[in-house]
Amino acid sequence: DGGITQSPKYLFRKEGQNVTLSCEQNLNHDAMYWYRQDPGQGLRLIYYSQIVNDFQKGDIAEGYSVSREKKESFPLTVTSAQKNPTAFYLCASSLRQGADGYTFGSGTRLTVV
Amino acid sequence: AQSVTQLDSHVSVSEGTPVLLRCNYSSSYSPSLFWYVQHPNKGLQLLLKYTSAATLVKGINGFEAEFKKSETSFHLTKPSAHMSDAAEYFCVVSEWSSGDKLTFGTGTRLAVRP
Repeated sequence: DGGITQSPKYLFRKEGQNVTLSCEQNLNHDAMYWYRQDPGQGLRLIYYSQIVNDFQKGDIAEGYSVSREKKESFPLTVTSAQKNPTAFYLCASSLRQGADGYTFGSGTRLTVV
Repeated sequence: AQSVTQLDSHVSVSEGTPVLLRCNYSSSYSPSLFWYVQHPNKGLQLLLKYTSAATLVKGINGFEAEFKKSETSFHLTKPSAHMSDAAEYFCVVSEWSSGDKLTFGTGTRLAVRP
């Protein structure tokens, strides 16, 4: 079955450490997205990519970085510059024109310890 | 610019009674509208979508929504709530002028009482 796989499901980070969240899709979707979810704030867009080797900042890109070397993969790195990284992170994908909505992964919960 | 407002942050209903989750949108052009559901610590699942076809849209699990342009609303309804409907629901808008990027509401948490 096609879908999006996020790993790990839970991740713990020490202060000052970079961590990378994995997102892989086998839907042959062109576009991929990373969202951050905090209680009571809905979803906020971190980065998105509409094509391989190209990506754009979303509304809250500071302290995050991404790469899009393959169509199937869109990893997100949470850097030490992100001062409040504890959150639930969701990856999504869509056909090039997202008018039909997005398909979401099951999320990664990141906690700073 | 597009935006969406979910009018209730929490809704509580008894099992077997109707569900109404309210959503108003703002869009400069003909929007696409969606409802997603999220169970705890899970991703979002698409319930239904409106993309300028029929104004009454039927989705999965017995949910439906009606697009009312005059009221700029896209309320989600279900005739009879089930315990498994307890979750968070997001109303979402997109339009071509924003590159079809989605804008999410802040969510409505639905509780279902036995």
